[in-house]
Amino acid sequence: AQSVTQLDSQVPVFEEAPVELRCNYSSSVSVYLFWYVQYPNQGLQLLLKYLSGSTLVKGINGFEAEFNKSQTSFHLRKPSVHISDTAEYFCAVSDRGTYKYIFGTGTRLKVLA
Amino acid sequence: GAGVSQSPSNKVTEKGKDVELRCDPISGHTALYWYRQSLGQGLEFLIYFQGNSAPDKSGLPSDRFSAERTGGSVSTLTIQRTQQEDSAVYLCASRPTGTAADTQYFGPGTRLTVL
Repeated sequence: AQSVTQLDSQVPVFEEAPVELRCNYSSSVSVYLFWYVQYPNQGLQLLLKYLSGSTLVKGINGFEAEFNKSQTSFHLRKPSVHISDTAEYFCAVSDRGTYKYIFGTGTRLKVLA
Repeated sequence: GAGVSQSPSNKVTEKGKDVELRCDPISGHTALYWYRQSLGQGLEFLIYFQGNSAPDKSGLPSDRFSAERTGGSVSTLTIQRTQQEDSAVYLCASRPTGTAADTQYFGPGTRLTVL
């Protein structure tokens, strides 16, 4: 069975500082990996995804993530955050057949002025 | 183009009543998913439709939950005899075929409150 762990439920960070949101997964098969963002009272928006190839993937709004197969991790990073990045971030894995998502519990990023 | 839409956006009901939640996927998307987002459980998969195949119901929490997808487009999630623990945001997502077949596109959700 697949599972996703987001160890940090909340991450406070000052504006213009770097941030890393951690995601670890477990799976016995090859998976696809995703990061979604949810702004208050809105649906989920795709930030970036890893399917294959280069382990460093770049997404929207200046975010990037690195797939590390040996550590089964897919951490999300941004070198300089803005107040507008305040939101909840979800890591997800899917199998390569049904594409059903297994989500982590989410990390609430709060950017402080 | 139009995204995934869901209705109603908010639904308040009394315990024991039945509710129907609607999802209109992006036109042409063959796959459709329902998820539930609740405070205690995070985001959980409920059910998955792919074309004309039998749906994958493996995530439905009880037999009070059912869903159908008519004509390969609109989907309705029905919860019978609602309980307070059914209170959550119900999210629908659709997925295309072809080169972007790996990504799901989510609607804004229906917030269900069971009193």
